Amino acid sequence: GAVVSQHPSWVICKSGTSVKIECRSLDFQATTMFWYRQFPKQSLMLMATSNEGSKATYEQGVEKDKFLINHASLTLSTLTVTSAHPEDSSFYICSARKTADTQYFGPGTRLTVL
Amino acid sequence: AQSVTQPDIHITVSEGASLELRCNYSYGATPYLFWYVQSPGQGLQLLLKYFSGDTLVQGIKGFEAEFKRSQSSFNLRKPSVHWSDAAEYFCAVGAQTGGFKTIFGAGTRLFVKA
Repeated sequence: GAVVSQHPSWVICKSGTSVKIECRSLDFQATTMFWYRQFPKQSLMLMATSNEGSKATYEQGVEKDKFLINHASLTLSTLTVTSAHPEDSSFYICSARKTADTQYFGPGTRLTVL
Repeated sequence: AQSVTQPDIHITVSEGASLELRCNYSYGATPYLFWYVQSPGQGLQLLLKYFSGDTLVQGIKGFEAEFKRSQSSFNLRKPSVHWSDAAEYFCAVGAQTGGFKTIFGAGTRLFVKA
């Protein structure tokens, strides 16, 4: 299957700082990538759909100014958590859509905000 | 909008016993349906998917699922569970519109006892 990477795999930051998470499709091009958030022992909640060359589409209740998404190339999407606070601590997972009905998931990034 | 319900938060089965994980979906049109498995420290892995054709779908690792339109269900089954199957299982439904975003159920944690 296709490979999607995320970097970093875990990050600890101080409250008020910004953190950037990268999502890369290593062996295919993805015009669409998705960002999810997963709380401990809970399901994945779709945060936004990232489209190459255009603005991301955010799900209801997700602050677009808080979670900045940039999809500058067909293999890279970034999620920046701005002015992070402890409540932003979570597991962030990206996926890249290879075909209409197939997406591949990254291993996730564990964010801890102190 | 689509939604997914996994009524069982956790299930415990004995090794070698059969397994069935329940999933009910809500979607106005014919859905894309998926089952994913998430093991600790690993990314989501696709077990199987359904869109059309034979309603009994075979997946990896000996899993299968049956689509029942009349019941809006897509239950996952395995005839003989192995200890390595212990993980979190997510049912998901994909919509053909909106960039083909995927909505996940709450997940079912599978415990396997010796």
